[in-house]
Amino acid sequence: EDQVTQSPEALRLQEGESSSLNCSYTVSGLRGLFWYRQDPGKGPEFLFTLYSAGEEKEKERLKATLTKKESFLHITAPKPEDSATYLCAVQAPSNTGKLIFGQGTTLQVKP
Amino acid sequence: KAGVTQTPRYLIKTRGQQVTLSCSPISGHRSVSWYQQTPGQGLQFLFEYFSETQRNKGNFPGRFSGRQFSNSRSEMNVSTLELGDSALYLCASLGGWGGDETQYFGPGTRLLVL
Repeated sequence: EDQVTQSPEALRLQEGESSSLNCSYTVSGLRGLFWYRQDPGKGPEFLFTLYSAGEEKEKERLKATLTKKESFLHITAPKPEDSATYLCAVQAPSNTGKLIFGQGTTLQVKP
Repeated sequence: KAGVTQTPRYLIKTRGQQVTLSCSPISGHRSVSWYQQTPGQGLQFLFEYFSETQRNKGNFPGRFSGRQFSNSRSEMNVSTLELGDSALYLCASLGGWGGDETQYFGPGTRLLVL
């Protein structure tokens, strides 16, 4: 069964304190792995799409990496506005249009 | 380019009623997927429509149904509402151009069933 597990569930950081979020996945063939950011009461906002092991993508203070079993979202020198829930999702080749989501990591960055 | 829009944004219904939610995808996108988000279960896939055809379906009861129109706009319907149907309902559109599988989400419809 396709499955996504994110850790930790919650993370508190001081402003400027870098860290990483983990997304472990089990899927029968990976069509894509996706990272989203979600603020309370809003829809998920797209961050990154990764397709193959070894792929990396960066955007401002965020960097996403992918291996055959997991993905990391690295946050460098975070700011309070980076506080949000970060969601990881995978899509299997046999499941068109269906994303399987992890439970998310809720990040709080204190000034 | 306008993003994904969903209407209404908020709804309050009572048990036993039915509800229809609407989603307009990004212009040019032909695939629309629907998800239910609750604190306990997280984001769960309901179904996906492409060119007016349901292409994939999640594990939800038959009370949940959807359709897509020729302009790619989609609706989902929930009949005989139950308290447990209270959730944030999200739709996402997919362009698929050049093999891009990224789904872009709308703001959601918050449904409260009393």
